[in-house]
Amino acid sequence: GESVGLHLPTLSVQEGDNSIINCAYSNSASDYFIWYKQESGKGPQFIIDIRSNMDKRQGQRVTVLLNKTVKHLSLQIAATQPGDSAVYFCAERKWSDYKLSFGAGTTVTVRA
Amino acid sequence: DVKVTQSSRYLVKRTGEKVFLECVQDMDHENMFWYRQDPGLGLRLIYFSYDVKMKEKGDIPEGYSVSREKKERFSLILESASTNQTSMYLCASRPLDRDYGYTFGSGTRLTVV
Repeated sequence: GESVGLHLPTLSVQEGDNSIINCAYSNSASDYFIWYKQESGKGPQFIIDIRSNMDKRQGQRVTVLLNKTVKHLSLQIAATQPGDSAVYFCAERKWSDYKLSFGAGTTVTVRA
Repeated sequence: DVKVTQSSRYLVKRTGEKVFLECVQDMDHENMFWYRQDPGLGLRLIYFSYDVKMKEKGDIPEGYSVSREKKERFSLILESASTNQTSMYLCASRPLDRDYGYTFGSGTRLTVV
C-alpha cells in the first residue's frame, strides 16, 4: 500500500551543525504533511506542518521543504542542540481525511 | 495546553486476558485516535473516532475494539491479549477545525506474557 517513509533510520550530528532529515512519500493524493518529534518516554510532539501549495515553511530553527515532483519532504534543524536528540517522524494526510500515516522514524543523536 | 492522558504508562498482562487502555482528553476535541508504535514500523493506526459513539477501523484493527461513550474518553480494548500485541500504544486527539492539532498522550507500554 501507499506509505510514508524516511530514508535513514539513524542520524548522528555534531552539536552546532545543521541537521537534515529526509522523508519520501508515495501517496500523490496527500496534500498536508507534518513533522513530529518524539523524545524518550514521551508522545510525539508537533514541530511544523506544510501544505502542498507551499514549497517551504520556516519555524523557529526548523525549516520544512516539500518537493512534490519527486514526492520528497525534508526537515532542516539549524544549529542542532543536545535537546534535539529524539526520533523524528514525518506524517502525511489527504486534506479530507481524519487520519495521518506515519513513516518509520529517524533517530537523531547529537554529539557534544 | 491540551492534555491527553493515558491512564497507565506500563502494563503487564497475561495471554488471553481482556485489556482496557484508557485515554482522556480535556479540550473538547471531536477526533480521537489509537496508534501502536513498534520499532522500524513507525506508528500504525488501530482505530479512530470522529465523534461520540462513532468509530472507524484503521489499518490494523484485528484483535482490538474501541469504545467512545463520552467525548473526552476513548478506550482501546484487547479482547484476548496475545504476545504479538506487546507494543507501545499512543492515543491522540484533534479538534475538527485545526490540522496541526494532533496532540498525543505519553503512551502505554504494554507487555503481554
